[in-house]
Amino acid sequence: GQNIDQPTEMTATEGAIVQINCTYQTSGFNGLFWYQQHAGEAPTFLSYNVLDGLEEKGRFSSFLSRSKGYSYLLLKELQMKDSASYLCAVRPEYGNKLVFGAGTILRVKS
Amino acid sequence: DTEVTQTPKHLVMGMTNKKSLKCEQHMGHRAMYWYKQKAKKPPELMFVYSYEKLSINESVPSRFSPECPNSSLLNLHLHALQPEDSALYLCASSQVIERQFFGPGTRLTVL
Repeated sequence: GQNIDQPTEMTATEGAIVQINCTYQTSGFNGLFWYQQHAGEAPTFLSYNVLDGLEEKGRFSSFLSRSKGYSYLLLKELQMKDSASYLCAVRPEYGNKLVFGAGTILRVKS
Repeated sequence: DTEVTQTPKHLVMGMTNKKSLKCEQHMGHRAMYWYKQKAKKPPELMFVYSYEKLSINESVPSRFSPECPNSSLLNLHLHALQPEDSALYLCASSQVIERQFFGPGTRLTVL
């Protein structure tokens, strides 16, 4: 089976840094994606990791450790508009299928 | 054009109705997807078309019938749905094995 775990909810303050963790146990591994989804809207792509290490893209960074089945999304200089659900998704095999975690609802307060 | 469009935005239907959801992309992507998303849950994959052929069917009930008329269009035909089928239906597209671009979704209510 496929199992992807994320915290259900997190709260952070505007201007701060927040780390959203994702652990996975899947039948295979061929990449991990992070998506952002605002309420009532479509998910939008944030990052992709297939090799171990840190990928940085502006205020957002994502880290992967394949040996630990672990990833995190780091959001810096939080803004109110970052309040959204953050979805971790794993591609368990070469191909098109993604398995999504339940998502982490991030609330940014002023 | 980096957009996936879906119509209609909202749909209300009875259990005996037949309706269709439509999805379109003009990014030259060769893979297209249907997902179902219930409130506060992650998207669940339903179907994948790759090069206009159905490549994945996640054991979806036959009351949902996908169709890919050409490389830019994807339809989902609905018939004899149940109230528990009410959800947000998301279409996505990608180059094969690359990141997926999602459309805004169709919010379906089955009465």
